Amino acid sequence: AQSVTQPDIHITVSEGASLELRCNYSYGATPYLFWYVQSPGQGLQLLLKYFSGDTLVQGIKGFEAEFKRSQSSFNLRKPSVHWSDAAEYFCAVGGNGGSQGNLIFGKGTKLSVKP
Amino acid sequence: NAGVTQTPKFRILKIGQSMTLQCTQDMNHNYMYWYRQDPGMGLKLIYYSVGAGITDKGEVPNGYNVSRSTTEDFPLRLELAAPSQTSVYFCASGIGANVLTFGAGSRLTVL
Repeated sequence: AQSVTQPDIHITVSEGASLELRCNYSYGATPYLFWYVQSPGQGLQLLLKYFSGDTLVQGIKGFEAEFKRSQSSFNLRKPSVHWSDAAEYFCAVGGNGGSQGNLIFGKGTKLSVKP
Repeated sequence: NAGVTQTPKFRILKIGQSMTLQCTQDMNHNYMYWYRQDPGMGLKLIYYSVGAGITDKGEVPNGYNVSRSTTEDFPLRLELAAPSQTSVYFCASGIGANVLTFGAGSRLTVL
């Protein structure tokens, strides 16, 4: 079955520290992978996506993610966290076209940032 | 640029009442979606549409209905509201199936 696992429900990091949010997926075909961010009371905003090619993808707000097919992972990283990064982060997987393109979301990781 | 607009933002319903959540997008996107978000559960797909006149069920369609008479609008109808439908509902649209623009959400409480 297709699924996305985000092992960490809540992570707290200090401002200026590095960040890595984990995401593992199970998908039968070539996956399209995404990270979305949700600020409190808001909708989701796309941070970055991976379709094919270079396995290290850059996104907005200084985020990057690396696709590792052998580990079925797509972890999100940021070298130096800012207080404004406090939000909930969702990893998602989808396929190519039709109903296969419908996204499957993980349960999310809430990020808190300490001053 | 309005993007995806959802109304209402908040609503309280009594058990058994009906209501429609409105969703409009001004980006000429073919794909539109309704998700529900429950605490700690991520987003679950309720219904989706790949174009005007075409709709299909997602993972959790029971208790809901949709229509897509125009490219811009994708209303979600709740018939006979139940406490289990208490949730935050998000509408989203996209040119393709994957890269989505989300609305700000509609918080529904059924008492």
